[in-house]
Amino acid sequence: EDQVTQSPEALRLQEGESSSLNCSYTVSGLRGLFWYRQDPGKGPEFLFTLYSAGEEKEKERLKATLTKKESFLHITAPKPEDSATYLCAVRWQGGKLIFGQGTELSVKP
Amino acid sequence: SAVISQKPSRDICQRGTSLTIQCQVDSQVTMMFWYRQQPGQSLTLIATANQGSEATYESGFVIDKFPISRPNLTFSTLTVSNMSPEDSSIYLCSVDAGTDTQYFGPGTRLTVL
Repeated sequence: EDQVTQSPEALRLQEGESSSLNCSYTVSGLRGLFWYRQDPGKGPEFLFTLYSAGEEKEKERLKATLTKKESFLHITAPKPEDSATYLCAVRWQGGKLIFGQGTELSVKP
Repeated sequence: SAVISQKPSRDICQRGTSLTIQCQVDSQVTMMFWYRQQPGQSLTLIATANQGSEATYESGFVIDKFPISRPNLTFSTLTVSNMSPEDSSIYLCSVDAGTDTQYFGPGTRLTVL
């Protein structure tokens, strides 16, 4: 069964304390892995697309990496405004997007 | 990317009534999607709406409950019919912008009493 699992479910960091979020997947024929940020009461905001193992993408304090079985979203020196739920989604050859449950990140000043 | 708007942004409805949610995109797109996000949960795909054809529904979702229209390449509606409190969710419209990436609207927060 195609599955996307994110860990941890929730993460509390102090401002400046770097960490990583994990997204593991069991999907046949990966067509892309996507990271989104979702603020409370809003729609997901697109962050990154990764297509192949070894690929990396960066945006400000965020860096996404991809292996054959998982992806990491690294957050360097986070700020309180980085607090949000981060969603990972995988698109397989069948075309449908499968979402993980998300990691709720809280960054305290 | 694509700019997507949804109406209404939120609504409170009575049990047994219906609500139609509108989704407008700033460019022509082939595929539009409707998702549901129940409280504290992740996104679940309801259906895929292609212009000029019937919507394709995912397992557990039926047309009588969630009828969808797709009259042109920039607009779609989702109706939540005969609502019950279990339908209280955020409903999200998204589009495939031709780059394998889906972009999402701001969502419609529905509360059913």
